[in-house]
Amino acid sequence: QVQLVQSGSELKKPGASVKVSCKASGYTFTNYPMNWVRQAPGQGLEWMGWINTNTGNPTYAQGFTGRFVFSLDTSVSTAYLQISSLKAEDTAVYYCAREVVVEPAPYGWFDPWGQGTLVTVSS
Amino acid sequence: DIQMTQSPSTLSASVGDRVTITCRASESVSTWLAWYQQKPGKAPNLLIHTASNVESGVPSRFSGSGSGTEFTLTISSLQPVDFATYYCQQYYSPQATFGQGTKLEIK
Repeated sequence: QVQLVQSGSELKKPGASVKVSCKASGYTFTNYPMNWVRQAPGQGLEWMGWINTNTGNPTYAQGFTGRFVFSLDTSVSTAYLQISSLKAEDTAVYYCAREVVVEPAPYGWFDPWGQGTLVTVSS
Repeated sequence: DIQMTQSPSTLSASVGDRVTITCRASESVSTWLAWYQQKPGKAPNLLIHTASNVESGVPSRFSGSGSGTEFTLTISSLQPVDFATYYCQQYYSPQATFGQGTKLEIK
């Protein structure tokens, strides 16, 4: 079955970096864009951007430029989110989500989602 | 960016009730709208795409309608497993956006 499995929870100090992985299975990885979504504690869903799994070209939403990097390793069907210079306000659950685009839609809905990775930033 | 506004933010209802959640877009998104259900500690789960297409495996009590700027998610007869938070999401623009969520609580 189509599945996204993310890496485990992380506890980091302010100023450190973290890299979250998202391993896909059950489908051809390069056929679907991969998106990232953040959910701060008790808050709603915030779209961070996406990466073209064919070209590796990332697109970042406003507010997620500079310290956030999307990358891929297509040989193992895995997408990555790296966050540098971590701040307390980066504490959140981060989700990867496969984007399903069906013409004539300009973009797609998200299905499935990874189980989420909790990143906690605390001194 | 296209803003998505859901109402109400919280909804109290009883098992067996028919409930409707509304999602309004700041500009037209045609029918490029999805609905997700999220339970505490879990990832969101796709319920409906293209405004009214119910995803395979989703119970038939869930339905969606609307186009342009106004959309609704209806649950025809609430079941205990339906108490969760619901989000709409537009995928008309290059920048995907979500509504702020509607928490469906047991009355």
